[in-house]
Amino acid sequence: RKEVEQDPGPFNVPEGATVAFNCTYSNSASQSFFWYRQDCRKEPKLLMSVYSSGNEDGRFTAQLNRASQYISLLIRDSKLSDSATYLCVVHTGGFKTIFGAGTRLFVKA
Amino acid sequence: SAVISQKPSRDICQRGTSLTIQCQVDSQVTMMFWYRQQPGQSLTLIATANQGSEATYESGFVIDKFPISRPNLTFSTLTVSNMSPEDSSIYLCSVDGGAGQETQYFGPGTRLLVL
Repeated sequence: RKEVEQDPGPFNVPEGATVAFNCTYSNSASQSFFWYRQDCRKEPKLLMSVYSSGNEDGRFTAQLNRASQYISLLIRDSKLSDSATYLCVVHTGGFKTIFGAGTRLFVKA
Repeated sequence: SAVISQKPSRDICQRGTSLTIQCQVDSQVTMMFWYRQQPGQSLTLIATANQGSEATYESGFVIDKFPISRPNLTFSTLTVSNMSPEDSSIYLCSVDGGAGQETQYFGPGTRLLVL
C-alpha cells in the first residue's frame, strides 16, 4: 500500500462546477498535510495547508479527517485556470515528506 | 518564499555519460532536497543535501550513482552518473520554508532524456 494515495483521475468538469478530491494516508503519526498544485511541465507549488479544523481560501476548501486518515480538497466554481494536477502531501515528522501521485483536473469551457 | 533556479533546464544525454545539475537559492537555507519525478508519477526524494556534511540518501539511491555537493547555504549540485534510459526523468531541487515551516519550495526542474 502506498503511503499517500490519490485517485489519479482525470476529472473532466465544466466551468462553474464543484469538484472534490480525496487523499488517504497510511501513517497515523503524520503531522502536517498540504495540497500542492502542479501545472503541466512546471514545478509543484503550495496551494494550501490542511488543518484539523478545516480551512478555506477563496474557492478552495481543505479538510482533514485524522480518524479516517484522509484529506480532501473542494474547488467551487471551477475556472479554466484550475486545470492542473493536485498533489496531496503528508509530512510525517523530521524531514520526511511524502507526495501523492496527483489527481489531474481538466476544466472545460 | 525562496526563489530557486536550476541549470540546465533540460538536456539530452547519451547513455554512460554523467550530468551535473545545479541548484541556486536566493537566500541561505539549511536543508536542500533533490527529487525525481518520472512521467505520471509522484515525486520521489533522492537525498537531502546538508551543508558541511555528506548528503543523506533515501532507500534505493546511492552516492555513487547520485553524488551531491553542498558547498554553501545557497547552492547544491546533483550528478546523475553513468546514465541509462531509466534515468530519464525530471529532477527537482527544493528547500524548506524555514523557521519551522514544513512547506517546500521547488526549483523549475531539469528535464533529462537519456538515449
